[in-house]
Amino acid sequence: DIQMTQSPSSLSASVGDRVTITCRASHGITSYLVWFQQTPGKAPKPLIYGASSLQSGVPSRFSGSGFGTDFTLTISSLQPEDFATYYCQQYNSYPLTFGGGTKVEIK
Amino acid sequence: QVQVVESGGGVVQPGGSLRLSCAASGFTFNNFGMHWVRQAPGKGLEWVAFIEYGGSNKYYGDSVKGRFTISRDDSKNTVFLQMNSLRGEDTAVYYCAKDPQEYSSGWYADSWGQGTLVTVSS
Repeated sequence: DIQMTQSPSSLSASVGDRVTITCRASHGITSYLVWFQQTPGKAPKPLIYGASSLQSGVPSRFSGSGFGTDFTLTISSLQPEDFATYYCQQYNSYPLTFGGGTKVEIK
Repeated sequence: QVQVVESGGGVVQPGGSLRLSCAASGFTFNNFGMHWVRQAPGKGLEWVAFIEYGGSNKYYGDSVKGRFTISRDDSKNTVFLQMNSLRGEDTAVYYCAKDPQEYSSGWYADSWGQGTLVTVSS
């Protein structure tokens, strides 16, 4: 199975900050990576798929990069609605696996 | 628009069984695979199972393989998750979700339902 490791597990940031979350795969997954955002009490929603493609309707302040084993989600200017938990997930091979999540909190 | 609605959650004793249903609408159900993903209280996401369009191929997470069975009824636009030999660690909100890609062998959960809570407890 492919293990997905996210870092950090949590971070504190202010509105307007640039935020970067990383995700590392235990084996190469080319670009088969998706990032999700989950706010409390809600279902997750996909933000970025194919490591760097923005899901329809997602603000352009979100971006993704990476290939192989190392990936990054960047929020260029954090907004109040962005305080949430973020997960990466690989879909290169079964079983599909998620990272442990990164909780973005208000500083 | 795309809508998926889960049902069938509840409280069940360890070793028991439960069948979840997921009714889908707003898209050509026959052409898309469907996922189940779960989230234990206060924990992260865990992918559970996927069934391809047509139902020929099914995939499972390691922790549920041999105990859970995913199936679909295209005439009713519904996907099911039969859960047997339930354990305390199966306690979670179970989400049903559509795959984003037609005729694919499974990418990720795109459009999610609101989830249904399964509690395994004596």
